[in-house]
Amino acid sequence: SQTIHQWPATLVQPVGSPLSLECTVEGTSNPNLYWYRQAAGRGLQLLFYSVGIGQISSEVPQNLSASRPQDRQFILSSKKLLLSDSGFYLCAWSGGRDGQPQHFGDGTRLSIL
Amino acid sequence: KNEVEQSPQNLTAQEGEFITINCSYSVGISALHWLQQHPGGGIVSLFMLSSGKKKHGRLIATINIQEKHSSLHITASHPRDSAVYICAVPPYSGGGADGLTFGKGTHLIIQP
Repeated sequence: SQTIHQWPATLVQPVGSPLSLECTVEGTSNPNLYWYRQAAGRGLQLLFYSVGIGQISSEVPQNLSASRPQDRQFILSSKKLLLSDSGFYLCAWSGGRDGQPQHFGDGTRLSIL
Repeated sequence: KNEVEQSPQNLTAQEGEFITINCSYSVGISALHWLQQHPGGGIVSLFMLSSGKKKHGRLIATINIQEKHSSLHITASHPRDSAVYICAVPPYSGGGADGLTFGKGTHLIIQP
């Protein structure tokens, strides 16, 4: 069966520090991969999606970047975190065709001090 | 780009009551998602539907593609149903391979 792993579960970082959140999927090949963010008191927002290795699409301009170095690995990064980067980050995957359900990781709660 | 409106934002009900949460969207799609978010933040996909009705246990989801509207119903509600329920659709027409756009969620509390 397919599983999705996201880590760490919680993270406290100072302003200006770098960030790396990792997400891996097992049990499927060539998944579509997604990073979402939920800021405090706000709804979920799509940050990045990837339909294949090295293919990254960004939905909103921000201080973050994403990479997909392997088929089932999706990484969210920042060189210098801002206070506004605080939030709950979710990784998700879906099958490679339209109309497939999305499966979410457990999320990472990021606090910037 | 699709816009999603959910109602109500907050709902408190007594155990056993029939619950309805509504979702409207602006751009035609081929599939709509209902998600459940628990206090810890984890999200579970409840339904993905493109027409008609789906049922899973006490949960029922319906969609009217022509009217761009979906409802989530909970029968015989229970305190463990307390969570945030989120409607999500593709940002543009299609099935959502390019991600989802989310409603703001309905915060449901079921009191014993």
